[in-house]
Amino acid sequence: AQSVAQPEDQVNVAEGNPLTVKCTYSVSGNPYLFWYVQYPNRGLQFLLKYITGDNLVKGSYGFEAEFNKSQTSFHLKKPSALVSDSALYFCAVRARGFKTIFGAGTRLFVKA
Amino acid sequence: DAGVIQSPRHEVTEMGQEVTLRCKPISGHDYLFWYRQTMMRGLELLIYFNNNVPIDDSGMPEDRFSAKMPNASFSTLKIQPSEPRDSAVYFCASSSGGARIGELFFGEGSRLTVL
Repeated sequence: AQSVAQPEDQVNVAEGNPLTVKCTYSVSGNPYLFWYVQYPNRGLQFLLKYITGDNLVKGSYGFEAEFNKSQTSFHLKKPSALVSDSALYFCAVRARGFKTIFGAGTRLFVKA
Repeated sequence: DAGVIQSPRHEVTEMGQEVTLRCKPISGHDYLFWYRQTMMRGLELLIYFNNNVPIDDSGMPEDRFSAKMPNASFSTLKIQPSEPRDSAVYFCASSSGGARIGELFFGEGSRLTVL
């Protein structure tokens, strides 16, 4: 069965510092991996995805993620955090078919 | 494009009442998903459809829940009878293939409160 783990409930960073939000996955076969962001009282918005190819994927708003097959990880990163990046971030995995499973979410708090 | 449209945005009802949530996916998308979000359980996939046909309903919690997709532009999620533990935000999402394969486009959600 496929699963996604986000080990941190919350990540705190200072504005201008780099940020990392961690994600590990378990799935049979080659995974499709995704990151989504959710702002208060809104639906989730797609940030980026990995399907195949280059292990470093670039997405919206300056975010990027690195796929590491040996560690089964797909950590979200940004070189310089903004206060406006504060939100709830979800990692997701899709294996067979179109069934997409989400992690528990990590709340990112960026302090000015 | 108008995006995924869900209604109602908020619903407050009493235990035992029937609740119907509605979703209009993005035109041309052939996959539709229903998720439920709670603090305790996070985002749970309830059911998804492909070309209006239910593919996987293993996440539907019990027989009180049912979902239909009578055509490509409309889906409903029904709870009958509703219980307080059904209180949650219910999201509909749609998806397609091509360059944006796998990406889910979410609606704004329907917040359900069962008293």
